[in-house]
Amino acid sequence: AIVLNQSPSSIIASQGEKVTITCRASSSISSNYLHWYQQKPGAFPKLVIYSTSYRASGVPSRFSGSGSGTSYSFTISRVEAEDVATYYCQQGSSNPHTFGAGTKLELK
Amino acid sequence: EVQLQESGPGLVKPSQSLSLTCSVTGYSITSNYWGWIRKFPGNKMEWMGYISYSGSTSYNPSLKSRISITRDTSKNQFFLQLNSVTTEDTATYYCARMNSGYNWFAYWGQGTLVTVSS
Repeated sequence: AIVLNQSPSSIIASQGEKVTITCRASSSISSNYLHWYQQKPGAFPKLVIYSTSYRASGVPSRFSGSGSGTSYSFTISRVEAEDVATYYCQQGSSNPHTFGAGTKLELK
Repeated sequence: EVQLQESGPGLVKPSQSLSLTCSVTGYSITSNYWGWIRKFPGNKMEWMGYISYSGSTSYNPSLKSRISITRDTSKNQFFLQLNSVTTEDTATYYCARMNSGYNWFAYWGQGTLVTVSS
């Protein structure tokens, strides 16, 4: 199974700050198969970025993604209060599809 | 609009079977792929498997001997059965529609907490 090592496990940021989460895969993945989700407390996960860098419908432009091979990143350019959530990367390249361990974003 | 809703018992005894239903509205399950994902206490997420538009299935090898995903196209529902559960199967279970190309999950149910306890 492809293991996704996500870091950091938690971030405390100020409003307006830029934050970046990294996701490193144990094997190379086509960038088409790497996706990011946002999960707020008590809610289901919401697709934010698909295929490394494409924003899902309705997602603000402050969210972005990049990467290739085994190294991927997810960035919020200016954190807002509504961005408090846990973020997960996911690979759909091979069975089993796997998720990173999650990064919990909190506001300072 | 695509909507998914999980239903089933919230409490299952150890060694018994866990059975959940995902009811889909706004889209036919004879298109795309339909999966089950669970989130354990402590936030770990696990993809369990899917059933395709044609009825073929794919399962996480870690569950392969215990899991079955089936469907009823007349009711636009698909189902999860997990046998021989233990307390380690306690989780929130989500059903989701999986993009059939690059395997992202764009639509999710609200999730249902299943506790395995005697």
